[in-house]
Amino acid sequence: DSGVTQTPKHLITATGQRVTLRCSPRSGDLSVYWYQQSLDQGLQFLIQYYNGEERAKGNILERFSAQQFPDLHSELNLSSLELGDSALYFCASSPTPFRGRAVNTGELFFGEGSRLTVL
Amino acid sequence: GNSVTQMEGPVTLSEEAFLTINCTYTATGYPSLFWYVQYPGEGLQLLLKATKADDKGSNKGFEATYRKETTSFHLEKGSVQVSDSAVYFCALSDQGRRNTPLVFGKGTRLSVIA
Repeated sequence: DSGVTQTPKHLITATGQRVTLRCSPRSGDLSVYWYQQSLDQGLQFLIQYYNGEERAKGNILERFSAQQFPDLHSELNLSSLELGDSALYFCASSPTPFRGRAVNTGELFFGEGSRLTVL
Repeated sequence: GNSVTQMEGPVTLSEEAFLTINCTYTATGYPSLFWYVQYPGEGLQLLLKATKADDKGSNKGFEATYRKETTSFHLEKGSVQVSDSAVYFCALSDQGRRNTPLVFGKGTRLSVIA
């Protein structure tokens, strides 16, 4: 158990709809990352939040958005869904470095993913 | 930018065979290198890591050595088991910048048959 929790585990919806995926990072981790895993594209980085603020952006479509709340959980919103959005969406978190100590070697801790199927 | 290239699968081996999955990287700085494993129906788990040149990461019989001269981090196991069947991802992190996204290779699916 990585300590990262994602809900829902499975979601089936129709084209044109909107869904929200939720992620709770490991206790104490300030950074949350969202990745999309599809069969043909591998693992694609979407977006990162750090302590409530957007930190880095990857290949995230304009139809997708995310936010991180004061309690550090994050939500990924996918709208105007298309068939090609069917994928596994992973959330990950990373340890927070402490001042003067390199406790973070860059590894990420992943949740079990949310499988989205768009019909 | 940073990138990771790993051998394409699928790789099918018999139990107790020797495994090598090649991984090479391109990075502007001094990255940390990782191998993650994804078992069927599960998320990604860190398998091993190395944070500087010549470091060897090891776990569960798997090993990988950080080779700066060849920009490689090949995964090896001397004797695979059916339970090793999974998808393996090589990844890098810009060690000079904390809390940054990992860059992943496309993954290599390994199937081990009894």
